[in-house]
Amino acid sequence: NAGVTQTPKFRVLKTGQSMTLLCAQDMNHEYMYWYRQDPGMGLRLIHYSVGEGTTAKGEVPDGYNVSRLKKQNFLLGLESAAPSQTSVYFCASSYLPGQGIWYEQYFGPGTRLTVT
Amino acid sequence: TQLLEQSPQFLSIQEGENLTVYCNSSSVFSSLQWYRQEPGEGPVLLVTVVTGGEVKKLKRLTFQFGDARKDSSLHITAAQPGDTGLYLCAGVEDDKIIFGKGTRLHILP
Repeated sequence: NAGVTQTPKFRVLKTGQSMTLLCAQDMNHEYMYWYRQDPGMGLRLIHYSVGEGTTAKGEVPDGYNVSRLKKQNFLLGLESAAPSQTSVYFCASSYLPGQGIWYEQYFGPGTRLTVT
Repeated sequence: TQLLEQSPQFLSIQEGENLTVYCNSSSVFSSLQWYRQEPGEGPVLLVTVVTGGEVKKLKRLTFQFGDARKDSSLHITAAQPGDTGLYLCAGVEDDKIIFGKGTRLHILP
């Protein structure tokens, strides 16, 4: 099992450009998440999905859109990149919470994005 | 807004020493998780604690959930350079998971 994979690993964008980050998981997890991690700010939730075809806003959703057309994939889009979106982006997935399952998250390796 | 405060923010100690890091909140959580993150990688789950007062051990790491389920601690015995990393706690309440900002631990050989 590959677990959670993210593409690309690195990207440099100019202000105003757009891009899509791809997250894929092969664990049949229901829940998927996008976080950004900045120095001194910890992990902040951007958007999440509780199942195929559903998405919801997290703590810092502005400037981002997401889609979950297939259960195994969760896409994060930046329509018009800004320098404030320079960050490391992590995707995570988890099982449906239930007996003995408490939203434990499995993270991908991250995408380092720089917006100039 | 729920907040998880982790302390200390940074800790640098010699190999072989013991240490404790803390995760505190004014909120009650249904469960609390600890993750370790190494440079250039995503966080990796170490443990989940669920019951107030629960203690879990993972080799030289001991995790404790406070009786009131508002705080947790991670104790490392005889720290080794391989323990170096960012330790994150995360609290779960209803369907929300909140991460602390982490304790950056550096073990000197």
